[in-house]
Amino acid sequence: DAKTTQPPSMDCAEGRAANLPCNHSTISGNEYVYWYRQIHSQGPQYIIHGLKNNETNEMASLIITEDRKSSTLILPHATLRDTAVYYCIVRHFLAAGNKLTFGGGTRVLVKP
Amino acid sequence: EAQVTQNPRYLITVTGKKLTVTCSQNMNHEYMSWYRQDPGLGLRQIYYSMNVEVTDKGDVPEGYKVSRKEKRNFPLILESPSPNQTSLYFCASRPGTAAYSNQPQHFGDGTRLSIL
Repeated sequence: DAKTTQPPSMDCAEGRAANLPCNHSTISGNEYVYWYRQIHSQGPQYIIHGLKNNETNEMASLIITEDRKSSTLILPHATLRDTAVYYCIVRHFLAAGNKLTFGGGTRVLVKP
Repeated sequence: EAQVTQNPRYLITVTGKKLTVTCSQNMNHEYMSWYRQDPGLGLRQIYYSMNVEVTDKGDVPEGYKVSRKEKRNFPLILESPSPNQTSLYFCASRPGTAAYSNQPQHFGDGTRLSIL
């Protein structure tokens, strides 16, 4: 699976949009981009995933660049409950065991 | 509510005393998996199961056993726990019987094990 690079931490103001970048310059054509978050040692929570096109659901939007070398997770209106570690994961759909490989993630702190 | 349920949530026990961590999902998912999370090492897959009676080793299976007799349950068994198995454990599931899938996995809330 391709390696991802995320900033280790970022702050966001409550009510504002939070834009979380992820670099995956070695991504291959069959690798999906997944975003999960983990709130203080709770189970990782699935947010969104995509292959090529931008995706949106009730939690967030995922913007993938045309060359697929990077992506951005957008939380449209951050709340204090969005404080968490956010993980960008690139996984080939043929990955052995269907396992997810979590890197260091971005620690997001939403401030009042 | 769709969920993955793990029990117990916390356990402190001693070396060598067999224990079982249960995992149950109510989403009729075929695929289930166990991970452990340790500081600086991220989540590592222990075992996974593509369907009932089908299990396979992940990256760190030593010292663990699993079984999949029913679709909804996937217990993790530590026959003779040791201190290096002290960790935070997560169970996950996803739909589909295909060996390869892009469907996201959904995780339980975790079980924190301390082996003294």
